[in-house]
Amino acid sequence: GQQLNQSPQSMFIQEGEDVSMNCTSSSIFNTWLWYKQDPGEGPVLLIALYKAGELTSNGRLTAQFGITRKDSFLNISASIPSDVGIYFCAGSSPEGSQGNLIFGKGTKLSVKP
Amino acid sequence: DSGVTQTPKHLITATGQRVTLRCSPRSGDLSVYWYQQSLDQGLQFLIQYYNGEERAKGNILERFSAQQFPDLHSELNLSSLELGDSALYFCASSRQRVGATSEQYFGPGTRLTVT
Repeated sequence: GQQLNQSPQSMFIQEGEDVSMNCTSSSIFNTWLWYKQDPGEGPVLLIALYKAGELTSNGRLTAQFGITRKDSFLNISASIPSDVGIYFCAGSSPEGSQGNLIFGKGTKLSVKP
Repeated sequence: DSGVTQTPKHLITATGQRVTLRCSPRSGDLSVYWYQQSLDQGLQFLIQYYNGEERAKGNILERFSAQQFPDLHSELNLSSLELGDSALYFCASSRQRVGATSEQYFGPGTRLTVT
């Protein structure tokens, strides 16, 4: 089945540093979503991307829909301790069931004060 | 707060038993999705309902079933429970227009522990 490769698997950074993570797919996606999950909580939608090349920001977060439609990245600028959590990318492909998302395995972010 | 509610928050039961998890979608959302998340694992899609009808199935075991009621709330039934069924179960909802992909909003989850 379709899979998303999300990297890195984990990151340990210093407070104030910028963070970058990405997702790639072997097939074309027409939607990319980025979620953050705190331990024991449900994923929270951060950014949604619907067009190739689209660049969208949400505060210190910026995400882009790759031009090839096979990748997306998420950047976090000037990280703070509350950025700690697991970040998931999710995508929907034209071949998939309508509206269903495929999730990456997540990037676990740790921020050292 | 996503607007999606799930009950119960925690559930502890024994192997072989049957449980029902409940989800109420955001107001106006017609689609409900169920996901399973095991320890240190990603989100595995189980099943989707749209306006009362099953729309798509993922990696859902035959021991599991779901339904969506006329008021759009949904229930996930897990039977003949095994230790390996212990996981977080999430419900998500979306507005979803036919032929389009909509953003999914997740509930807080139900933590199921099978002993």
